[in-house]
Amino acid sequence: EAQVTQNPRYLITVTGKKLTVTCSQNMNHEYMSWYRQDPGLGLRQIYYSMNVEVTDKGDVPEGYKVSRKEKRNFPLILESPSPNQTSLYFCASSRQGRSSYNSPLHFGNGTRLTVT
Amino acid sequence: QQQVKQSPQSLIVQKGGISIINCAYENTAFDYFPWYQQFPGKGPALLIAIRPDVSEKKEGRFTISFNKSAKQFSLHIMDSQPGDSATYFCAAKRGQAGTALIFGKGTTLSVSS
Repeated sequence: EAQVTQNPRYLITVTGKKLTVTCSQNMNHEYMSWYRQDPGLGLRQIYYSMNVEVTDKGDVPEGYKVSRKEKRNFPLILESPSPNQTSLYFCASSRQGRSSYNSPLHFGNGTRLTVT
Repeated sequence: QQQVKQSPQSLIVQKGGISIINCAYENTAFDYFPWYQQFPGKGPALLIAIRPDVSEKKEGRFTISFNKSAKQFSLHIMDSQPGDSATYFCAAKRGQAGTALIFGKGTTLSVSS
């Protein structure tokens, strides 16, 4: 089954304790992206990657890092989490270089992060 | 110029009624306008999408109406059902796959039985 898999689904941590949220896709997609979803703010892009070793900032990159060492994986790293990073996080992927109509963005089921 | 403005924030509709969600954009370079549906505990999933050279697209009970001159597009859900209760996001982007999708802030739809 084609899917984007995120882990963990739920995470509670304390301020300053480094954490990583993993994302893996099995569709051989070039493009991967991280979004955060907050009430009243919708989905905002954090980082994206056009291909292996190619990453760039989205709209809200502060406090986050990413890496793309393999095509299928795109982990999100919070080096020193703070309470304002409490949110619902989504990883997404799509084909690159084709019409968006033929290659829509596929989302994972989300990771709910709480930073106390 | 990059914003997509969505309204209303929440919507309650009776079973069998029509649900209408509106979006407006400013960037005339946008050329892909999808709607995503999100159920609790799940990620958003593509519902329907439209190109700017088409004024309407229908898939089952879901229809996108597109007004290029007004830079507006809307989602109509005919014969709304309780199973349609979800959060709906409009979005827009420019260019080929692999570029940023700009989302509206979402509309929470509740269909009462």
